Amino acid sequence: DAGVIQSPRHEVTEMGQEVTLRCKPISGHDYLFWYRQTMMRGLELLIYFNNNVPIDDSGMPEDRFSAKMPNASFSTLKIQPSEPRDSAVYFCASSILEGTPYEQYFGPGTRLTVT
Amino acid sequence: TQLLEQSPQFLSIQEGENLTVYCNSSSVFSSLQWYRQEPGEGPVLLVTVVTGGEVKKLKRLTFQFGDARKDSSLHITAAQPGDTGLYLCAGDSGGYQKVTFGTGTKLQVIP
Repeated sequence: DAGVIQSPRHEVTEMGQEVTLRCKPISGHDYLFWYRQTMMRGLELLIYFNNNVPIDDSGMPEDRFSAKMPNASFSTLKIQPSEPRDSAVYFCASSILEGTPYEQYFGPGTRLTVT
Repeated sequence: TQLLEQSPQFLSIQEGENLTVYCNSSSVFSSLQWYRQEPGEGPVLLVTVVTGGEVKKLKRLTFQFGDARKDSSLHITAAQPGDTGLYLCAGDSGGYQKVTFGTGTKLQVIP
C-alpha cells in the first residue's frame, strides 16, 4: 500500500503569491494532520481532520492559512498571501483509530521557500 | 499547553558508543511515542509506551516510560551511523489521535 503522498516536494515562490500544498492520506485512514517544521520551532501541528471534518485548527498561524479536506483521499493547505516567514517544511500525516494508539504515518514533506 | 522538552538538543558521538536521550514534561500522558526522522523524510514511529515504568526494546534501542508517565528515555547501545537522525518524542494530547511533539534531539554517529 502506498504511504502518504505529498506534492509538490519542493516549492519556491515569491512573497505575496498563493501557495497550495497537497496531500493524499493512506487509504482507510480517518485522521489527517498538517504540520510545519522549522529549526526554531520544531514540529508544530497546524490543523487536523477526522472523517474529513476539521477538529482543531488552533495551530493555524493566521488567516492567511486555510486547509480543506473535500473527501477522504485528498487535502490541501493553502497560504495566501505567502510571506518569507512561512518558509518551512510542511508535513501531512494520517492515522487510523483502530491502529496503534496515536501512531501517525507521515508523508515526505513539502519544502517551501518564500523569497 | 503540554510541553515536551528533549535533551540533549544535539549529540555527536563515535560509532560504538552508548547514548541516552531524555524526554521530559510536567504533564501526564496516557501514552508516549518515539519517532526517528532522517534528512529529507517524515518522522517514522519507533515505539509506543503506555504503562508507567514500561520498558521496550527494539534491537539496540531501549525505551522507558517514567513511573509517573511524565517522562521517557531512549538508550542506544553501540551506536551505528545508521542511527543518525532526529529523534522526536510525542505525547497524546487528549483524544482524537492528536499528539504533541517534543523539541527533538539531533544525533550524529561518526564512523
